[in-house]
Amino acid sequence: GAVVSQHPSWVICKSGTSVKIECRSLDFQATTMFWYRQFPKQSLMLMATSNEGSKATYEQGVEKDKFLINHASLTLSTLTVTSAHPEDSSFYICSGIPHLGNTEAFFGQGTRLTVV
Amino acid sequence: AQSVTQLDSQVPVFEEAPVELRCNYSSSVSVYLFWYVQYPNQGLQLLLKYLSGSTLVESINGFEAEFNKSQTSFHLRKPSVHISDTAEYFCAVSENNAGNMLTFGGGTRLMVKP
Repeated sequence: GAVVSQHPSWVICKSGTSVKIECRSLDFQATTMFWYRQFPKQSLMLMATSNEGSKATYEQGVEKDKFLINHASLTLSTLTVTSAHPEDSSFYICSGIPHLGNTEAFFGQGTRLTVV
Repeated sequence: AQSVTQLDSQVPVFEEAPVELRCNYSSSVSVYLFWYVQYPNQGLQLLLKYLSGSTLVESINGFEAEFNKSQTSFHLRKPSVHISDTAEYFCAVSENNAGNMLTFGGGTRLMVKP
């Protein structure tokens, strides 16, 4: 299957700082990428859908000014958690849809964010 | 709106024993069903999916799942597990068969013991 690489795998940051998470499709072009969040012992929840070259679509309850998503190329989407707080500590995971062919989503390995 | 419930957060089992990971869903429309597996430090990988046709679907590594519409379930089974099956398993539903707009369950950690 296609490969999506997410970086970093884990990050610890101080409260009030910003953190950027990268999601790269290594062997396919992803016109659409999805960002999910998983709190401990809870489901993966869709945060937003990003399309290359346009603004992301956020799910209800997700603050677009706090979770900045950029999808400037067909192989890279970034999620920036701005002014992070301890309650933002979570597992963030992205997935990408190939530009052509099979529309199955391929997932990155996820990023564990801990805000202290 | 859709929701997915995985009743067991952890399932410990001895090697070569059978296992069932339970998944129930609710939806007001027809859905498509998926099981994903996440091995340590890796991304989610599609294990198997039900889109239409036969309600029993199989994966290449011996897992199978049966779609039961009346019970709104899609339980995952394997008759004999291996140590290498130790992973987190996620059940998911989608309103489209491409599997890209997914609603996930909370996950079940399968722990296979020697």
